[in-house]
Amino acid sequence: EPEVTQTPSHQVTQMGQEVILRCVPISNHLYFYWYRQILGQKVEFLVSFYNNEISEKSEIFDDQFSVERPDGSNFTLKIRSTKLEDSAMYFCASNRRSGLSQETQYFGPGTRLLVL
Amino acid sequence: KQEVTQIPAALSVPEGENLVLNCSFTDSAIYNLQWFRQDPGKGLTSLLLIQSSQREQTSGRLNASLDKSSGRSTLYIAASQPGDSATYLCAVPKAAGNKLTFGGGTRVLVKP
Repeated sequence: EPEVTQTPSHQVTQMGQEVILRCVPISNHLYFYWYRQILGQKVEFLVSFYNNEISEKSEIFDDQFSVERPDGSNFTLKIRSTKLEDSAMYFCASNRRSGLSQETQYFGPGTRLLVL
Repeated sequence: KQEVTQIPAALSVPEGENLVLNCSFTDSAIYNLQWFRQDPGKGLTSLLLIQSSQREQTSGRLNASLDKSSGRSTLYIAASQPGDSATYLCAVPKAAGNKLTFGGGTRVLVKP
């Protein structure tokens, strides 16, 4: 069964460093998402992406964050200058339809980011 | 702004007992509601998607009901097993888009 994959599974970085989290969505999906979950808190939406542009972003997704689909398969989240509060599990998700969606979003296993 | 709440936050039952997990949401203008399972330190596994036009959806031992007008969904897990121990999350998409808003989850422990 097709699945969303994410790399790396864990990343430790120093505050102020740039990190890139990578995701390979399911191949026939067109809509891509990043969510994060700070330890002990709810899963929070960061950004959605369709047709090579951001379709929606949350207030968390400030100028330090960017997303890109550099080729036909990868979907990346970049954090330019990490802060301690960026420590969280980051999930990528994908599905086929938006708007009047009746489609399940499929989630990857996550990247656990620790900022020291 | 959509708010999703799950009560109780944690639940412990003996093996074989039925589980009842509750989810409530403040904005009833939803297109669907999804239930997920999350194992410790792991990703989210989709269990059931119940569409706004449905009142019920079943998959094996799992049954989800949806009452849009009252802003509630319930996930029933029949004859619980220790392998059902996990956190169960419900989520709804924003009415005019696809962003999911999640509840805080119910952490379930099924004791052998």
